[in-house]
Amino acid sequence: QVQLVQSGTEVKKPGASVRVSCKASGYTFTNYDINWVRQATGQGLEWMGWMSPKNGNTGYAQKFQGRVTMARSTSESTAYMELSSLRSEDTAVYYCVKALDPSLSRRGFDFWGQGTPVTVSS
Amino acid sequence: QSALTQPASVSGSPGQSITISCTGTSSDVGGYNYVSWYQQHPGKAPKLIIYDVSKRPSGVSDRFSGSKSGNTASLTISGLQAEDEADYYCCSYRNSDPSILFGGGTKLTAL
Repeated sequence: QVQLVQSGTEVKKPGASVRVSCKASGYTFTNYDINWVRQATGQGLEWMGWMSPKNGNTGYAQKFQGRVTMARSTSESTAYMELSSLRSEDTAVYYCVKALDPSLSRRGFDFWGQGTPVTVSS
Repeated sequence: QSALTQPASVSGSPGQSITISCTGTSSDVGGYNYVSWYQQHPGKAPKLIIYDVSKRPSGVSDRFSGSKSGNTASLTISGLQAEDEADYYCCSYRNSDPSILFGGGTKLTAL
């Protein structure tokens, strides 16, 4: 069965960076894009960007350009999301999500990781 | 960027049908058949329940259905059950940044 297992809770100070990992199993990791979505407490969902595990290509929402890096290890079937220059507004649960379609992330996301809470506080 | 527009809350009695709307523009909902819907119970990750406007993933109850008219997509839940009480989010592809946009979410209360 498909699973996305994320790394644990993070607490960071403003200005620091955080890296969240997402280990995939139960399917061919390189065949489906991984996207990242975040959700602040009591708020809605916000899409951050996508990464192709096949070739490492990425696409980021302009809001996060320059601060976010998405990468992968194909040998470990693991995706990573690093967010730098953290501020209090980045406090949220971060989800990695698998694209439903091998070619198009835009069709939807059929599997979600359990979420990684990230708190940014001095 | 503005989120797609959803009602903040809807409610219904068990057995009834309810509909949640999701309004965007011709650059997103109205321009592409890439609308998906997600159900999120408290403390849980969202779950895909509709994609490509009206398709259901395997294992999702046929009580959930989706449709679109112009710039507005809709999710209908028929035969409302207590377990349907959750937050619901629409999502659409758009031809500008960000290329994936979510709605603000709708809290469904089963009375």
